[in-house]
Amino acid sequence: DAKTTQPTSMDCAEGRAANLPCNHSTISGNEYVYWYRQIHSQGPQYIIHGLKNNETNEMASLIITEDRKSSTLILPHATLRDTAVYYCIVRVPRGSNYKLTFGKGTLLTVNP
Amino acid sequence: DAGITQSPRHKVTETGTPVTLRCHQTENHRYMYWYRQDPGHGLRLIHYSYGVKDTDKGEVSDGYSVSRSKTEDFLLTLESATSSQTSVYFCAISDNLAGVGEQYFGPGTRLTVT
Repeated sequence: DAKTTQPTSMDCAEGRAANLPCNHSTISGNEYVYWYRQIHSQGPQYIIHGLKNNETNEMASLIITEDRKSSTLILPHATLRDTAVYYCIVRVPRGSNYKLTFGKGTLLTVNP
Repeated sequence: DAGITQSPRHKVTETGTPVTLRCHQTENHRYMYWYRQDPGHGLRLIHYSYGVKDTDKGEVSDGYSVSRSKTEDFLLTLESATSSQTSVYFCAISDNLAGVGEQYFGPGTRLTVT
């Protein structure tokens, strides 16, 4: 699976958009970008994933650059409950290696 | 949220005793996983299952065994608990359609081995 690079921490004001970047310059053509988050003391939560097109669901939007070497997760109206560690993971959806590799992620702190 | 429960949620046990953690799902997903999470190590895969009675080892399987006798239940057993197995244990599930990259996690079990 391709390596990802994320900032260690970010701050965001409540009600504003949170834009979390992820670099994955070694991504291969069949690898998807997945985003998870982990709120303190809870299990990781799947947010969204995509291959090359931008994706949106009820939680967030995922913007992937045309060369696919980086992506941005957007929380359109951050709330205090969005404070969490956000993980960007790149991998093939199927395959014999079933584990998800969670790096250190980005600690997003949403401030009132 | 995916229907995944873990039991117990908290457990304190003594070194050398056997411990079984249970993961129960109501989603009828094919794949189930056990991870442990420790400070400085992130999430590490212990064992996973790709069907009833079909299981395989993950990256940190020593000292753990698993069983899956029906689709909804995946058991993790520590045959003889050690202090190094003090951790938070998470169960996860995924299905064929979503692919194994889209996993849904349970609330976790905090295990302390004294």
